[in-house]
Amino acid sequence: EAGVAQSPRYKIIEKRQSVAFWCNPISGHATLYWYQQILGQGPKLLIQFQNNGVVDDSQLPKDRFSAERLKGVDSTLKIQPAKLEDSAVYLCASSFWGNQKDIQYFGAGTRLSVL
Amino acid sequence: AQTVTQSQPEMSVQEAETVTLSCTYDTSESDYYLFWYKQPPSRQMILVIRQEAYKQQNATENRFSVNFQKAAKSFSLKISDSQLGDAAMYFCACSTGTASKLTFGTGTRLQVTL
Repeated sequence: EAGVAQSPRYKIIEKRQSVAFWCNPISGHATLYWYQQILGQGPKLLIQFQNNGVVDDSQLPKDRFSAERLKGVDSTLKIQPAKLEDSAVYLCASSFWGNQKDIQYFGAGTRLSVL
Repeated sequence: AQTVTQSQPEMSVQEAETVTLSCTYDTSESDYYLFWYKQPPSRQMILVIRQEAYKQQNATENRFSVNFQKAAKSFSLKISDSQLGDAAMYFCACSTGTASKLTFGTGTRLQVTL
């Protein structure tokens, strides 16, 4: 079965520019997650979707970050405007049910460098 | 809120030897799950092993096993017969409550030498 697909793999932008990342989860997975992984740290959840509804976006910087999952399948994460501290790997993950025992399957991530 | 602590930034093991990676966690929940994920240079996080908190028996997956000490809130990973392909970052993580959000530790970089 196909895994979680993410694009692009790398992105370099200047501060104050905008950027978007795309994620296509494993077919049939209701739950989709976006994590931010800063160098030297573990991933931190930004937002969790259950189908096309938001379950948790408590750590999403809503003044500059936005995410959508309009049809309950693929998702887009946007940053506008980007800051230097947004340099990180953005990981997308999906799981079947979205409960605590679920295994989350991760994509290869997008490495963002903000100059 | 839960916290996960990995106190070993780096570990090294010789091929075919055994290594143990440490993890402690803190949560006020009684029902939770613990995970070890591996992240190779390709960046894709891969599940290594999962432990249900209400199960006393330690989880095992082939060469990987855990030592789950619930009272001490400790969850260490043992890798037996280490292979070159085991070299990666290893993250300990916890999920609690009705949501499945994972809280990760800061990771341990494992080197495997010949």
